[in-house]
Parts: sequence; C-alpha cells; structure tokens
Amino acid sequence: GESVGLHLPTLSVQEGDNSIINCAYSNSASDYFIWYKQESGKGPQFIIDIRSNMDKRQGQRVTVLLNKTVKHLSLQIAATQPGDSAVYFCAENRYISDSGYALNFGKGTSLLVTP
Amino acid sequence: DGGITQSPKYLFRKEGQNVTLSCEQNLNHDAMYWYRQDPGQGLRLIYYSQIVNDFQKGDIAEGYSVSREKKESFPLTVTSAQKNPTAFYLCASSISRLRGTGELFFGEGSRLTVL
Repeated sequence: GESVGLHLPTLSVQEGDNSIINCAYSNSASDYFIWYKQESGKGPQFIIDIRSNMDKRQGQRVTVLLNKTVKHLSLQIAATQPGDSAVYFCAENRYISDSGYALNFGKGTSLLVTP
Repeated sequence: DGGITQSPKYLFRKEGQNVTLSCEQNLNHDAMYWYRQDPGQGLRLIYYSQIVNDFQKGDIAEGYSVSREKKESFPLTVTSAQKNPTAFYLCASSISRLRGTGELFFGEGSRLTVL
C-alpha cells in the first residue's frame, strides 16, 4: 500500500551542527507535505510545509527539500540546538473520499542533540 | 487563546469498560480528527469529521466510536471491543476539508492505559 516512511529511526547530532532528516513517500500523486515536531508527551507541532510545485522552502533555521523524481523529502535544521531534540514526522496530504483529506504520517525520526 | 483542548491527559481503565476522551476546539475549524500513536510508531487515523453531524472511519476505526454534534467538539469513545486500547490519543483540527489546507493543529494528547 501507499505509505510515508523515514530512512532512519534515530539521529544523534552535536549542538551547532546541521541536521538532516529524510523521508520517502510512495504515492506519486501526493502534492502536499508537512513536517511536524513532537516533544515527549505532547502533541505534534507544525514546522514547515511544501507543495509539489516547489523544490525547496525555507523557514527559520529549517529548510525542506522535495525531490519528486525519487519521491523523497528532507528536513534540514541549521545550527541544531538542544531544544531541537524531539521526534520529527513527515506527513503527506491524503485523499480519503469526497468528504476530504487527512494527513498520512510516517513513523518518525528521533533527533538527539548532544552538547 | 485559541487552540485544541483534550481531556483527560491521563486515564486508566479496567478491561471491559468504555471510556470517552474529550476534544474541544475554539479555532472555528470545520474538520476534526482522531489519531492513535503507539510507542515508536507514527500516527494512525481512527476517525475524522469534515463537518458537523458527519464523520467517517479512518484506518483503524474498529472498537472506537465518535460523534460530532457541535462544531467545537469531537469526543472519542474507546469501547470494550477495542482489543488493545493502551495508547496515546491525539485530536486535531484543520480549517477546511478542502484540498491544500492540510495543516493540522493538534491537542496535547490523552494517554490511556488499560489495567
């Protein structure tokens, strides 16, 4: 079936380094993607989104890259800080029925920032 | 402040008991969703509602029920038919069911433990 998946379950980076979190998707019709950050025991928080008519989008310290050819997107975090430690999920907008859409989530990557 | 409120944050239940998780939003969003999260897993869609008095099953609806009598409220009942109910439950809402507005706003979650 179609799914959203992540290449690595955990990622450890040193404070100040850049982090790259990867995500693969299998539905070539997917046209909208979101990255969420989830801290322990809390609900996911929106980080950044990108539509399929774009290859790159930048936010504050974060950049999302979309490669439609290989159905891959990545989240880059610049100058990673201890507060960035969390689980990161990619999600794709998914058509459910004539009633509308929901988000399909990957399993998540745990990012650990070490001093 | 606008947002999504879930209650209770922690809930314990004996086997065979039904339990209802509350979700209220004051964001004036049309669409509301329930997701389930298991340790080390992504979010899986239980039920969703794109408009008042209407809701649809998601990927793992068996053993759950919902209602959407008011725009602001979307309670989830975990019934005794749910074989493995221990999990972290997340409620979310979005502005519209229309394509391209896929960003979901999440509550802080309810952790259900069956004893």
